[in-house]
Amino acid sequence: DGGITQSPKYLFRKEGQNVTLSCEQNLNHDAMYWYRQDPGQGLRLIYYSQIVNDFQKGDIAEGYSVSREKKESFPLTVTSAQKNPTAFYLCACTPALTNYGYTFGSGTRLTVV
Amino acid sequence: QKEVEQNSGPLSVPEGAIASLNCTYSDRGSQSFFWYRQYSGKSPELIMFIYSNGDKEDGRFTAQLNKASQYVSLLIRDSQPSDSATYLCAVTGGYNKLIFGAGTRLAVHP
Repeated sequence: DGGITQSPKYLFRKEGQNVTLSCEQNLNHDAMYWYRQDPGQGLRLIYYSQIVNDFQKGDIAEGYSVSREKKESFPLTVTSAQKNPTAFYLCACTPALTNYGYTFGSGTRLTVV
Repeated sequence: QKEVEQNSGPLSVPEGAIASLNCTYSDRGSQSFFWYRQYSGKSPELIMFIYSNGDKEDGRFTAQLNKASQYVSLLIRDSQPSDSATYLCAVTGGYNKLIFGAGTRLAVHP
């Protein structure tokens, strides 16, 4: 079955540590997105990528980095520069030339300990 | 700053009633509009999308779009306790990016 997979489901980060969240899709979608959701708030865009080897900053990119070396994969690194990383992280994808809505992964809940 | 506004709720309706969820957006250039349902601790799932002014019906759900008023709504008929969730409105913001509202929490009580 086609889908989009995020891992891990839960992640704990120590102060000053970098962590990487995985996002893999087998839907053959060109565009991929990372969003962050805080309690009681909407989704805020971190980074997005329309094609391999190209990506753009979203509204809250500071303290995050991404790569897009393969069409299927769009990992997100939360660096130590992100001062308040505790949140629910959602990866999504969609075909590039149409927009019938995103397909979301199941999310990663990141907690700083 | 492009914005999408929703009443945070909770919107409480009795089982079997019609739930009406509303959303306004700031960017007149937005072309596509989406409603997602999100259960607590889960990722959003797409309920409906609408591109043209007017109504679009799918089962118990009806999306309504008024571009002149920059207003989108979602009606849920015959509301069930399983409809209790947060409903997110989203609009396109260029490059297939979606801009999300903060969501309206719906509570359907027996």
